[in-house]
Amino acid sequence: EAGVVQSPRYKIIEKKQPVAFWCNPISGHNTLYWYLQNLGQGPELLIRYENEEAVDDSQLPKDRFSAERLKGVDSTLKIQPAELGDSAVYLCASSLVGGTQYFGPGTRLTVL
Amino acid sequence: QKEVEQNSGPLSVPEGAIASLNCTYSDRGSQSFFWYRQYSGKSPELIMFIYSNGDKEDGRFTAQLNKASQYVSLLIRDSQPSDSATYLCAVRNTDKLIFGTGTRLQVFP
Repeated sequence: EAGVVQSPRYKIIEKKQPVAFWCNPISGHNTLYWYLQNLGQGPELLIRYENEEAVDDSQLPKDRFSAERLKGVDSTLKIQPAELGDSAVYLCASSLVGGTQYFGPGTRLTVL
Repeated sequence: QKEVEQNSGPLSVPEGAIASLNCTYSDRGSQSFFWYRQYSGKSPELIMFIYSNGDKEDGRFTAQLNKASQYVSLLIRDSQPSDSATYLCAVRNTDKLIFGTGTRLQVFP
């Protein structure tokens, strides 16, 4: 069974540019999470979806970050415009409702 | 006070020894507890979860939970160099998973 798929794996952009990350969860997992992980820190939740509904986006900086999960499967996380402090690893995870979360490989973002 | 606290390490143990990783949490309503392993440059992978007070064993790994003390630990028996990684403790309350900063474990030959 395929795990969580993310792309791109690495992205380097200049500040003020837009960037988007894509995630395909494990088949059948209706809950999808986007996390941010800074170096030396644990993952921090940005947004959680159950099917296509964002049920927890309290930690998402809505002035520059947006996310969507239109058909309740794939999801896209966007940053516009990117700032230097956005350099981090962006992790996607999925689970069954209330189940164990499984992580994708992450996207390492570098903002210059 | 952080919601989930771990010593960042590094914790250095010789090959074959027992590694003991500890985690404390602040929310008494927390319901379940997870240990993830993260190799450098990789994503977290689940090792174990525990819901009830006491010990839970899986191979060389034992998770221990003491809800009264708000304490959860992970023991790794017969540590191997391949166990060298960062171990993340995560605590779930309702549907939210809160991670600690992780403890870096180094197993030397």
